[in-house]
Amino acid sequence: AQSVTQLDSHVSVSEGTPVLLRCNYSSSYSPSLFWYVQHPNKGLQLLLKYTSAATLVKGINGFEAEFKKSETSFHLTKPSAHMSDAAEYFCVVRGVGDYKLSFGAGTTVTVRA
Amino acid sequence: SAVISQKPSRDICQRGTSLTIQCQVDSQVTMMFWYRQQPGQSLTLIATANQGSEATYESGFVIDKFPISRPNLTFSTLTVSNMSPEDSSIYLCSEYGRGNTEAFFGQGTRLTVV
Repeated sequence: AQSVTQLDSHVSVSEGTPVLLRCNYSSSYSPSLFWYVQHPNKGLQLLLKYTSAATLVKGINGFEAEFKKSETSFHLTKPSAHMSDAAEYFCVVRGVGDYKLSFGAGTTVTVRA
Repeated sequence: SAVISQKPSRDICQRGTSLTIQCQVDSQVTMMFWYRQQPGQSLTLIATANQGSEATYESGFVIDKFPISRPNLTFSTLTVSNMSPEDSSIYLCSEYGRGNTEAFFGQGTRLTVV
């Protein structure tokens, strides 16, 4: 079965500094991986997805993620944090065959002015 | 992107009662999923709803507590039965099968049981 582990439950950064959110995955097959963001009292929004094409994936709002098979990682980065990036971020893997999504525990990002 | 509408967006219910949540997708999809997000937690899959067959429940979730209907390829309902305060959560529906790899979610139903 597929699963993901988010290595940080909380990340705090200063506005304008880089953001790194770490995610490791476990999958018997080539996985489909996603990062979603959830702002307070809002729905889930897709940031980016990896589906076995380019290993460096660019998403919305300046976010990108790199798929590293050798490290079974799919870390999310942004070069310069903005106050609006304060939210909950979920790393997600899709199952093969059953298409279920398995969510990581989430990482809360706070941005200091 | 898909448009997924959920109703109600929120509700406050008395313990022992039931609430039915509706999920409407703007195009036909093969599979629909129901998730629960307990306060401060991540999302947990409740069940997969397939049209024309019974829903498939994940470990820890049972049909008597969370009956699901899927009458056609664009609509599903989740009922939270005999509610207790522990059922207070956000319930979200999602979909798969339009040819995209990503999933889109409804805005969620914020349920409070008192």
